[in-house]
Amino acid sequence: QSALTQPASVSGSPGQSITISCTGTSSDVGGYNFVSWYQHHPGKAPKLMISEVSDRPSGVSNRFSGSKSGNTASLTISGLQAEDEADYYCSSYTSSSLVIFGGGTKLTVL
Amino acid sequence: QVQLVQSGAEVKKPGASVKVSCKASGYTFTSFGISWVRRAPGQGLEWVGWISAYDGHTKYAQKYQGRVTMTTDTSTSTAYMELRSLRSDDTAVYYCARGSLTGTTNYWGQGTLVTVSS
Repeated sequence: QSALTQPASVSGSPGQSITISCTGTSSDVGGYNFVSWYQHHPGKAPKLMISEVSDRPSGVSNRFSGSKSGNTASLTISGLQAEDEADYYCSSYTSSSLVIFGGGTKLTVL
Repeated sequence: QVQLVQSGAEVKKPGASVKVSCKASGYTFTSFGISWVRRAPGQGLEWVGWISAYDGHTKYAQKYQGRVTMTTDTSTSTAYMELRSLRSDDTAVYYCARGSLTGTTNYWGQGTLVTVSS
């Protein structure tokens, strides 16, 4: 099964909002509300930012939000801060009872 | 507090096997599964598989079927991932994470660097 499709990079200035898309198929993103988003700073453990499309775990800033439409999920970060600069990955449960990740998006805060 | 502590870095030759451990604490081990995820140099996160700490049920990514075995030892709250027939492109940081088969993983280990080199 191919990885979910994410833009390779996005950028924004402090205070702005950005959205990262994650496109799959009806066999994964479109078929289940089990899309998660992770933030990964190289050298550190990934951090869960959004689970089940739009649920924000305790301790995650409310500047992070998730949504889904059809086969595409999205992560929006509002009020960009320098500390948000990282790699972001989506993941989805699939019809094969497996999990696949997106290729990752590098967020640059200008 | 929930903690997952992984074993240390490994250097292996091509064709060898590696077994990475992940010791859990701070929660009831058998109430959650353990996922294994890796990140190779210059690559993104990749799901390797998942094991139920309750009954040992496993799911492996197709790419690793036949080469990976995940196990748990409930007496020590430790999960293991063994990868066999190592190749240079298996060089990566391997992470364990607590979570469900549906993919939500909310606690992660610190990662274990596995280097495969002749």
